[in-house]
Amino acid sequence: EAGVAQSPRYKIIEKRQSVAFWCNPISGHATLYWYQQILGQGPKLLIQFQNNGVVDDSQLPKDRFSAERLKGVDSTLKIQPAKLEDSAVYLCASSSDPHQRGQYFGPGTRLLVL
Amino acid sequence: RKEVEQDPGPFNVPEGATVAFNCTYSNSASQSFFWYRQDCRKEPKLLMSVYSSGNEDGRFTAQLNRASQYISLLIRDSKLSDSATYLCVVPGGGSNYKLTFGKGTLLTVNP
Repeated sequence: EAGVAQSPRYKIIEKRQSVAFWCNPISGHATLYWYQQILGQGPKLLIQFQNNGVVDDSQLPKDRFSAERLKGVDSTLKIQPAKLEDSAVYLCASSSDPHQRGQYFGPGTRLLVL
Repeated sequence: RKEVEQDPGPFNVPEGATVAFNCTYSNSASQSFFWYRQDCRKEPKLLMSVYSSGNEDGRFTAQLNRASQYISLLIRDSKLSDSATYLCVVPGGGSNYKLTFGKGTLLTVNP
């Protein structure tokens, strides 16, 4: 079974630029999560999708972050404009049954904002 | 009480030692819990789940105490390869499938 795919793996941009991340979840997984992980901390949930609907985006900085999962499969996360404090690893995870089976993570995108 | 709170660590133990991490949670409606392992510069990987009082898998034992609202992870006979950050994960109550991560506890097993 293929795992969660993410791209790009690394991205370096200057502040105020835009950036987009892509995630392809495990086939058949209805639930998809985007997390932000800053060095030395646990992953922080940004947004959670159930199929193509948003379940929780309470911690998403909506003035600069946006995410979509139009067909209930792939998802993109965008930051526009980026700030220095957005430097982090952006992790995508998916699950077929989060409360029983947990979730599976992609390798993450490491973002550096200069 | 915070949603999820873990032992801050770090833990430095010799090979062969037994080490335990604790994690407390605030949502009494949470039913199942998870421990993840995260190696340096890698993504978290599911280690164990806990639904009832406990779960054992080889050298690893996860325990749940609902009355006191904490979960623990016990590692026996530590190996060098156990060095990693261990994250506890608590689900939200209800059906929204939210999962909240603790900050993680760094374990270093020394030769």
